[in-house]
Amino acid sequence: AQKITQTQPGMFVQEKEAVTLDCTYDTSDQSYGLFWYKQPSSGEMIFLIYQGSYDEQNATEGRYSLNFQKARKSANLVISASQLGDSAMYFCAMREWAGNQFYFGTGTSLTVIP
Amino acid sequence: SQTIHQWPATLVQPVGSPLSLECTVEGTSNPNLYWYRQAAGRGLQLLFYSVGIGQISSEVPQNLSASRPQDRQFILSSKKLLLSDSGFYLCAWSTGVPEAFFGQGTRLTVV
Repeated sequence: AQKITQTQPGMFVQEKEAVTLDCTYDTSDQSYGLFWYKQPSSGEMIFLIYQGSYDEQNATEGRYSLNFQKARKSANLVISASQLGDSAMYFCAMREWAGNQFYFGTGTSLTVIP
Repeated sequence: SQTIHQWPATLVQPVGSPLSLECTVEGTSNPNLYWYRQAAGRGLQLLFYSVGIGQISSEVPQNLSASRPQDRQFILSSKKLLLSDSGFYLCAWSTGVPEAFFGQGTRLTVV
């Protein structure tokens, strides 16, 4: 079974608007972490934001926030006030602390329209 | 500060040739190390991870192998490359913090 599911292969957003990128995960562990990474066309992987499974508040980092709904096993990324430089692939990931593996989804390609 | 070096950046290899990709981490000790492959337009597939010298866990059966001869060195190898081995290979490390940090990647084309 897929550990991480990203159902949006591609998304478009108008510059300065907010956008939500969906992510659901599958684990039977109680202790895990959820992550979002950005991959520009250069290929580098840029860490954006982290949410621990025991964190009660949603994580925020600047214009990025993670909408964590534990019961639904979802960890959506919200980007506010989109900028042209936000155009990239975005990957959701999960780390199960018991095993140390990092699992990634298939990614969402975000295009910001001027 | 910690850095990760991955080389080469690009590689074109004929089918049936061997492969060796190297990744080294500086500025940290006993990191968890990971190898991922990203096929064109696809997500990241975890290939191998290591929690210590000589300790390698394989996620999927394939034509590749990994080794960790030193604490901060992680090597991805193949004896005979297949066309399906083409892709973007990323090395990553993690220690002390939740997130993983990635190298610049190697674009491998098997012809």
